[in-house]
This record gives sequence, structure tokens and C-alpha cells, in this order.
Amino acid sequence: GDSVTQMEGPVTLSEEAFLTINCTYTATGYPSLFWYVQYPGEGLQLLLKATKADDKGSNKGFEATYRKETTSFHLEKGSVQVSDSAVYFCALGGSGGYQKVTFGTGTKLQVIP
Amino acid sequence: DAGITQSPRHKVTETGTPVTLRCHQTENHRYMYWYRQDPGHGLRLIHYSYGVKDTDKGEVSDGYSVSRSKTEDFLLTLESATSSQTSVYFCAISPEGLEKLFFGSGTQLSVL
Repeated sequence: GDSVTQMEGPVTLSEEAFLTINCTYTATGYPSLFWYVQYPGEGLQLLLKATKADDKGSNKGFEATYRKETTSFHLEKGSVQVSDSAVYFCALGGSGGYQKVTFGTGTKLQVIP
Repeated sequence: DAGITQSPRHKVTETGTPVTLRCHQTENHRYMYWYRQDPGHGLRLIHYSYGVKDTDKGEVSDGYSVSRSKTEDFLLTLESATSSQTSVYFCAISPEGLEKLFFGSGTQLSVL
């Protein structure tokens, strides 16, 4: 079945550091890929998405590229801020024609001043 | 913000009792989902619906049932609650094509 594997957290970075959160997936067919973010006490929000191979999703300084050859969708940001502290979830959807989304386990990011 | 309301927001119940969680949307979206969130497991899909009276199981459906008699409401029932069902439950909705999931604020359920 479909699955998403994320790097384990928590990840602690200093403000303005470079961020990478690794994500790899296993899926049938050609799924869409997503990054969602969860701030404390809230539900998840879509951060960015990519719908086909080599697409780059971007939002709020975050980027991720859909790499079919390595089945990866790593999240990057050049300079993190304290306000980026949250839990980040990699996810895939639409695999095999089913309209459901499978999430990874989440990676907690803490940015310190 | 998408119009999604989950109720109750918090609930404490005893083992063996039935529990129903409600998700209400005002967006008229076709797809509705129930997930549970647990440390170390992320979000896991319990059930989802692709229309009125059309539902399907997710990866952790045992012990749960759902109903959708109206577009706007998706109910999750724990038939006989167990301590392993202590979790945070999230409802999500989506229009066609999985462009984006919109999440509710969650229900914290404790089964004692």
C-alpha cells in the first residue's frame, strides 16, 4: 500500500539556518505530493504541493521538488524563522485513483533565536 | 478559513461506551475524511466519504463506523470505546481532485 517516510525529529535549528526535512514515498501510479504544517493546538494547513514529476511546489519561502526517480519530496527553506516552529507532515494523495491522502509521521521543527 | 466545525472539542468517556463525533461543513465539498493523530504515527485515515451515503474504510477502521446522510455532516462512531482509541480526531474536507484538504480544529478524546 501507499506509505510516506519522513526523517525523525525533533529538528532544532537556530534562526536563519538552512532547513531540510527529508521525505520519501511508496505509491501506486502517479500521486500528488503535499507538505502540510501544524502549529500548536491547530489542525493541519496545506503548505505546498506538486502534482507531477519535476514540479516544484513553493510557499512562504519553503520549496519541495517532486523527484520520481528517487521517490522523494524533500522540504527546504533557506533561512528559518522562530515563527516556522511547527510540525511538518509529508503526504501523498490520489494514488491508484483513490481520493484519499496518506500522511507521514510528522517532523517537529523548533527554531531558536 | 474553510467552514468546518468539529464537536465536541473535548470528551472524556469510559471504556465500553459508544461515542459519536460530528463534523459539519458549510463548503458543500464532496469529500470528507476522519483521521486520528497519535504520537509516532502521524495522521492515520479511519474512514472517508465521497458523497452522501458513500463511504469507504481507511487504514485503521476497526472499531469505528461512519455515516453521511447529508452533504454537510459526517459522523464518526466508536461503537464500544477502548483505551486504545484515546487520540486526537481530525475531520478534513476536500473538493474534487484532492487539490487541498481543509482540516477542522480536532477533537481530543480520552477513554478511561
